[in-house]
Amino acid sequence: AQSVSQHNHHVILSEAASLELGCNYSYGGTVNLFWYVQYPGQHLQLLLKYFSGDPLVKGIKGFEAEFIKSKFSFNLRKPSVQWSDTAEYFCAVGPGGFKTIFGAGTRLFVKA
Amino acid sequence: SAVISQKPSRDICQRGTSLTIQCQVDSQVTMMFWYRQQPGQSLTLIATANQGSEATYESGFVIDKFPISRPNLTFSTLTVSNMSPEDSSIYLCSASSDSRGTEAFFGQGTRLTVV
Repeated sequence: AQSVSQHNHHVILSEAASLELGCNYSYGGTVNLFWYVQYPGQHLQLLLKYFSGDPLVKGIKGFEAEFIKSKFSFNLRKPSVQWSDTAEYFCAVGPGGFKTIFGAGTRLFVKA
Repeated sequence: SAVISQKPSRDICQRGTSLTIQCQVDSQVTMMFWYRQQPGQSLTLIATANQGSEATYESGFVIDKFPISRPNLTFSTLTVSNMSPEDSSIYLCSASSDSRGTEAFFGQGTRLTVV
């Protein structure tokens, strides 16, 4: 069965610090990989996605993620976080256009 | 992209009653899904809503407890039956096409509290 593991459940950073959130998945076939963000009181929004091609994917708000096939990983990064990045971040995997499986989520708190 | 509207946005219900949540998508989509997000937890897939046929349920979820309808390509309902406090959760509708390269879109969710 497919599964997604996120390494950190809670992360606290100061503004301007760099961010890296780990994500590993288990699925043997071709995967679509996603990072979603949920700001307090808001619905899920797509940050970025990977389907094929360049394994370094750039998303909105300065976020990027790198797909490393050999490590089954899709880590999210941002060089300099802002207070407004405080949110919960979910890594997800989906085979084709079918059901999406989510990781447990990482709650990021950025101190101003 | 698709815009998904859910109703109600929140409700407080008595145990033993049932609540039906509606999901409307602004464009025709192939796939519709229902998720549950329990307090402090991630999203768990309940079922895939299939147009014109019975929904496909994930392990741990059954039709008697969570009956689902999908009469057309843009509308689906989820009923939470015979509710107990353990059903208190956010229920989310999701939709996507079946084309490779597309992501799932989400509604704002229905926050259900069972007392």
